[in-house]
Amino acid sequence: EAQVTQNPRYLITVTGKKLTVTCSQNMNHEYMSWYRQDPGLGLRQIYYSMNVEVTDKGDVPEGYKVSRKEKRNFPLILESPSPNQTSLYFCASSDYRGNTIYFGEGSWLTVV
Amino acid sequence: DAKTTQPPSMDCAEGRAANLPCNHSTISGNEYVYWYRQIHSQGPQYIIHGLKNNETNEMASLIITEDRKSSTLILPHATLRDTAVYYCIVSGGSNYKLTFGKGTLLTVNP
Repeated sequence: EAQVTQNPRYLITVTGKKLTVTCSQNMNHEYMSWYRQDPGLGLRQIYYSMNVEVTDKGDVPEGYKVSRKEKRNFPLILESPSPNQTSLYFCASSDYRGNTIYFGEGSWLTVV
Repeated sequence: DAKTTQPPSMDCAEGRAANLPCNHSTISGNEYVYWYRQIHSQGPQYIIHGLKNNETNEMASLIITEDRKSSTLILPHATLRDTAVYYCIVSGGSNYKLTFGKGTLLTVNP
């Protein structure tokens, strides 16, 4: 079954404590990306990756890092989380054609 | 990416067809129309996409006007589980980025 798996699904953390949200896909997709969703602002792209070792900024990259060392994994790193990064995060992947993008189930992150 | 306009909300009776409109008057020739839906904060789910011809799959039909300035997503027999926010998106960008607007909240009523 085609899957994009994110972990953790729910996390409450404190300001400044580094955290990583993992994302893994089993479809051998070239393209992966991260979105955040906030009330009234919709889904906004944070970072994307066209393939291994190729990453680029989306619309709201400030405060985030990513890496793409393997094709299947695309972790999202918050080096020093702040309360304004409290949000619902989605990882997504698609093949090189980009016609169908598969999303993970989401990770609820609260920074206090 | 071209901008889309959708009604903020719609209602539909269970078992009836749900017709969700979308305007995309600035769409360019190489841009596709995509439809996704999001059920209660779950990950968005792909429904269908098209370029200029009408498309149908097991979930829905997509009708694109001849001038490509608008389209309609049709759920032929709506069920309660189809209650969701439906996003109409146009994209042909090389970075595979989808710009989500506010979408239409479709409520299917018993």
